Amino acid sequence: QKEVEQNSGPLSVPEGAIASLNCTYSDRGSQSFFWYRQYSGKSPELIMFIYSNGDKEDGRFTAQLNKASQYVSLLIRDSQPSDSATYLCAATTGGFKTIFGAGTRLFVKA
Amino acid sequence: DVKVTQSSRYLVKRTGEKVFLECVQDMDHENMFWYRQDPGLGLRLIYFSYDVKMKEKGDIPEGYSVSREKKERFSLILESASTNQTSMYLCASSLGLAANTGELFFGEGSRLTVL
Repeated sequence: QKEVEQNSGPLSVPEGAIASLNCTYSDRGSQSFFWYRQYSGKSPELIMFIYSNGDKEDGRFTAQLNKASQYVSLLIRDSQPSDSATYLCAATTGGFKTIFGAGTRLFVKA
Repeated sequence: DVKVTQSSRYLVKRTGEKVFLECVQDMDHENMFWYRQDPGLGLRLIYFSYDVKMKEKGDIPEGYSVSREKKERFSLILESASTNQTSMYLCASSLGLAANTGELFFGEGSRLTVL
């Protein structure tokens, strides 16, 4: 079964620090990769997507993709308490089938 | 604004009952999905559909069926509910292949309890 693996955490960082979230995937045919944020009791919402090797930056967020290592990461700079949530890594194969990891819980301490 | 609406936020059913979960999207999206979310297991794909009347099994289709008679509506059916189907069910949609980032838009979820 094709899988997306994440460390469940919790990951705890102080306010203002860099939070680093990691993800590996098993299907080499995966084409696009996503990071969703999910607050408790809410639905996931997209933060970043990436489909080319390298880094992609959007504000305080940077997604990194290494297809050779089948590895995706998300860096959150200047972490804020409002960033405390579960972060879901996802991979898409066949154009639209999206598989999720179990998520990493992040706590940002004020 | 993109909107995915799930008809029921909370349901309580008895073992053996037939359960319908309805999902409607208003973005003219091609693809629709049903996931279930359980603590420690994340989102697991039950079924998805890339066109009207088309459906594909996801990773955990056993005990479920789906129906997509119209583009905007995707229904999840539990023919005979069991206690291990107690879960949060999330519907999502995305654009078709053309110009598609693959972003999923989620509904608010339906929390099903089977007694």
